[in-house]
Amino acid sequence: DVKVTQSSRYLVKRTGEKVFLECVQDMDHENMFWYRQDPGLGLRLIYFSYDVKMKEKGDIPEGYSVSREKKERFSLILESASTNQTSMYLCASSFGQGYQPQHFGDGTRLSIL
Amino acid sequence: AQSVSQHNHHVILSEAASLELGCNYSYGGTVNLFWYVQYPGQHLQLLLKYFSGDPLVKGIKGFEAEFIKSKFSFNLRKPSVQWSDTAEYFCAVNQGDKIIFGKGTRLHILP
Repeated sequence: DVKVTQSSRYLVKRTGEKVFLECVQDMDHENMFWYRQDPGLGLRLIYFSYDVKMKEKGDIPEGYSVSREKKERFSLILESASTNQTSMYLCASSFGQGYQPQHFGDGTRLSIL
Repeated sequence: AQSVSQHNHHVILSEAASLELGCNYSYGGTVNLFWYVQYPGQHLQLLLKYFSGDPLVKGIKGFEAEFIKSKFSFNLRKPSVQWSDTAEYFCAVNQGDKIIFGKGTRLHILP
């Protein structure tokens, strides 16, 4: 069974901090994604990666960066956290072309104070 | 740019009622369409998908969706819902290499 693991379920940080959200998948998937989920807004794509060291901006990349040094790990970085980045963050993975997320992690609920 | 509309934000039904959740997308041409579901406290999972062929797609747990190209629609249906179908449902459509999600519909089934 495919597993997408996000390092933290809940995280509280302060404005201006640099925040790292980690995601690991165990199925050798090429594609990995970071979304944020907000009530009434659905899921919005922040970044995705289709290979190691490759990344593409999604719809709302501002204020975020990503790192994919190894195939199984995709990190989301909030360079200088702000209160409007308080949200649920979802990592996902998939294989093959088409770039639709197939397997999701449980999410990280991030609060920026 | 592609967009996805889910018209019902919150739906409440009794058990055994029939379900139809609306989904419309804005941009024509070749599309891939998806429904995802998120049960309370669980991660998102793919319910069904349409790439080509038979426009009536069957998914897990008795759900189905019909792609109607002329109406730009991909509505989700289930003939008889159960309490365990309480969840949030997201329609999604591709825009090039990316998937665009709708805002979601919260479905609440009364026992």
